[in-house]
Amino acid sequence: GNSVTQMEGPVTLSEEAFLTINCTYTATGYPSLFWYVQYPGEGLQLLLKATKADDKGSNKGFEATYRKETTSFHLEKGSVQVSDSAVYFCALTPRGDSSYKLIFGSGTRLLVRP
Amino acid sequence: NAGVTQTPKFQVLKTGQSMTLQCAQDMNHEYMSWYRQDPGMGLRLIHYSVGAGITDQGEVPNGYNVSRSTTEDFPLRLLSAAPSQTSVYFCASSGNRGPMNTEAFFGQGTRLTVV
Repeated sequence: GNSVTQMEGPVTLSEEAFLTINCTYTATGYPSLFWYVQYPGEGLQLLLKATKADDKGSNKGFEATYRKETTSFHLEKGSVQVSDSAVYFCALTPRGDSSYKLIFGSGTRLLVRP
Repeated sequence: NAGVTQTPKFQVLKTGQSMTLQCAQDMNHEYMSWYRQDPGMGLRLIHYSVGAGITDQGEVPNGYNVSRSTTEDFPLRLLSAAPSQTSVYFCASSGNRGPMNTEAFFGQGTRLTVV
């Protein structure tokens, strides 16, 4: 079946530290991959996406590369800010007939301290 | 520029009561969906719709009903609330037949407690 596995949080970093949040997936075929972010008290927002192998999604200083060989889509940022504190969800949409579904990981909470 | 609007934001129900969670979008999106968010489990798809008059079940549909009489509205009905339905519920919409093709926009969520 299709599934997404994320590293458990919370992840606590100091401002300007380097961030990596690991995400691996299981899927038939070649899914589209996403990172969504949820700020406190809000709904989810799309952060970045990649639709084929070796694509790199990027937004607001965050990056993630679609790695087919390792079935991974790790989220990185070179220098985090306090305002990046949020819950980050990795997700996939399978190809084919069920391509309308988003399948989420369990989420990783990031806390950035000043 | 409303996007996806969910009401109410908070609700407490007694076991056995029924209620409807409202969701409306003003982006003329075809695809709408309902998720529930539980600690440590991410978001799980309850029901979805690919257009007015068309609905289908997701991963966890039991205890919930939906209908899609218009493009804009996609209400979620709890028929007889149970404590296991205590959760945060999110409505989402996207164009062009789903989130693979276009960004999914989420409402702010409804926090439901069943006692």
